[in-house]
Amino acid sequence: AQKVTQAQTEISVVEKEDVTLDCVYETRDTTYYLFWYKQPPSGELVFLIRRNSFDEQNEISGRYSWNFQKSTSSFNFTITASQVVDSAVYFCALTSRGSSYKLIFGSGTRLLVRP
Amino acid sequence: DAGITQSPRYKITETGRQVTLMCHQTWSHSYMFWYRQDLGHGLRLIYYSAAADITDKGEVPDGYVVSRSKTENFPLTLESATRSQTSVYFCASSVPRDRGRSGGPGALFSYNEQFFGPGTRLTVL
Repeated sequence: AQKVTQAQTEISVVEKEDVTLDCVYETRDTTYYLFWYKQPPSGELVFLIRRNSFDEQNEISGRYSWNFQKSTSSFNFTITASQVVDSAVYFCALTSRGSSYKLIFGSGTRLLVRP
Repeated sequence: DAGITQSPRYKITETGRQVTLMCHQTWSHSYMFWYRQDLGHGLRLIYYSAAADITDKGEVPDGYVVSRSKTENFPLTLESATRSQTSVYFCASSVPRDRGRSGGPGALFSYNEQFFGPGTRLTVL
């Protein structure tokens, strides 16, 4: 069975702090894709990153970075020097052949960045 | 470039009524999806469609009907709305899968990200 767990329901930080959002996934497939989406207070879902299971290189995009570790089935997301505009709900998601290419979402982590 | 749009954005209806939520995309994406978002559940897939006239059930299809007569439209109908269907509904689309190398256990498959509409907030009284 495919499953994504985001154990942190809510995180609150002060602006400029670094914050890491955890994502743990389960799949029996060897080929799979992982995603992060952001849902700001306005409600839309914004795609952030896609990572396939064969690429374990960590990725950095500005203040965002992602740490993919197959050994621990984790795909964690770090925001460096957080800003108020980072306040949102962040979803991790998984797809693979085992899920018939459907996206399986975690329950989300609400991040509040206080000024 | 309109992308993916949903209408209405807000809807209040009564138990037992039929409601149709519209989804339209201008990208000619083959795949389209309907999700519902409820507190504590994240996003759950209701139905999806791989192409026009091809639809399949997701995780929570009961009480919903979909159709896909045209690639760009994917309406979701609640045939007899219930209070438990009060939710925020998101439509999404994605480009076709690129299988890369074909066949065999080592073959790659590629799955492109889904792009989401702005959502419809539905309240069933």
